[in-house]
Amino acid sequence: GDSVTQMEGPVTLSEEAFLTINCTYTATGYPSLFWYVQYPGEGLQLLLKATKADDKGSNKGFEATYRKETTSFHLEKGSVQVSDSAVYFCALSDPGYGGATNKLIFGTGTLLAVQP
Amino acid sequence: KAGVTQTPRYLIKTRGQQVTLSCSPISGHRSVSWYQQTPGQGLQFLFEYFSETQRNKGNFPGRFSGRQFSNSRSEMNVSTLELGDSALYLCASSPEGSYNEQFFGPGTRLTVL
Repeated sequence: GDSVTQMEGPVTLSEEAFLTINCTYTATGYPSLFWYVQYPGEGLQLLLKATKADDKGSNKGFEATYRKETTSFHLEKGSVQVSDSAVYFCALSDPGYGGATNKLIFGTGTLLAVQP
Repeated sequence: KAGVTQTPRYLIKTRGQQVTLSCSPISGHRSVSWYQQTPGQGLQFLFEYFSETQRNKGNFPGRFSGRQFSNSRSEMNVSTLELGDSALYLCASSPEGSYNEQFFGPGTRLTVL
């Protein structure tokens, strides 16, 4: 079945450091890929998404490129801030052939801690 | 537009009881999904409703059920609660169609004693 694998956390960085969180996926169809962020005590917020191969999603300085050849969707940011400290989830949505769904399959989440 | 709302935000129950959680989607959204979040299992899909019909179901026992009303509001019910049902239950709504982002509510924190 479909699955998402994320790098284990926590990831601890100093402010202004470069961030990469790795994400790879397995899917039977042509999935859409997402990064969600969860701040303490809150629900999930969409950070960015990509719906087809070679698409680049970007938001708030974060970027991720949908790589079909490596089945990857790695999250990057050039300069992190303390306010970026949160849990980041990679996810896919794969309706399959002729299907219809918004169901998300999530990775395990990666805790990012940014120190001043 | 108001976001996804979930009630109650916190709930404490004892083993064997049943519980009903409520979710109001963003106005105009007809798809509602439910997820269970635990430290051990992470985020797991429970079920998805669209136009009052369940169109997808996760791998959970039959004690977990849900429904959607004509105004797209949704409820989920857990009967015969077990300690392992303690979790954050998240509801998400989406516009019509597939490949759409989901908008999440703040969740209901259920504690089973």
